[in-house]
Amino acid sequence: EVQLLESGGGLVQPGGSLRLSCAASGFTFSSYAMSWVRQAPGKGLEWVSTISGSGGGTYYADSVKGRFTISRDNSKNTLYLQMNSLRAEDAAIYYCAKLGGSGYQYPHDLWGQGTLVTVSS
Amino acid sequence: QLVLTQSPSASASLGGSVKFTCTLSSGHSSYAIAWHQRQPEKGPRYLMKLSSDGSHSKGDGIPDRFSGSSSGAERYLTISNLQSEDEAEYYCQTWGTGIHVFGGGTKLTVL
Repeated sequence: EVQLLESGGGLVQPGGSLRLSCAASGFTFSSYAMSWVRQAPGKGLEWVSTISGSGGGTYYADSVKGRFTISRDNSKNTLYLQMNSLRAEDAAIYYCAKLGGSGYQYPHDLWGQGTLVTVSS
Repeated sequence: QLVLTQSPSASASLGGSVKFTCTLSSGHSSYAIAWHQRQPEKGPRYLMKLSSDGSHSKGDGIPDRFSGSSSGAERYLTISNLQSEDEAEYYCQTWGTGIHVFGGGTKLTVL
């Protein structure tokens, strides 16, 4: 079955760190770029970051640049998001998504169920 | 700047039809987009990729009730024979050089 399963969300204090994971199955993981997309309470979808299939290209939204790092382990079919210096405005459901090709210039054609990140003291 | 504009809400009757509009910002009228659905308490679901000429390719299992069309800088998603499970948020999405952009989403109420 083709699916994406996120994990690693939770409660973290402002300024803290968290690492999200996304386990992929049912497709050739290394052939596809992957993204993280978030949705804050009461807000719409917001693109966070994308990584190419090889891992050689990474792209970030301005709101997270310098604080978040996207990476992947193609041997483990797993996508990661390291989030540092977390702020209240980073609180959201974080979705893992597969793109339709190996680069960034494709739509997201498969989504996970999401993992909730809460930032509060 | 690459921006997608959507109306925040829409409503239509059970069994009827609804047409959503996604407008590309000036200078980006040739861009393809994608439509996504997010039902309550679920992750988003890819509906289709829609090109500027109106050609579209749907995701796996997307019913024929869902169709796409284009005119200039506007991209449309039409749902016919509305079902209760169609009550959801609908987002358009596009991509530029190293970035992805989502519209603000339209919340559909099925009456």
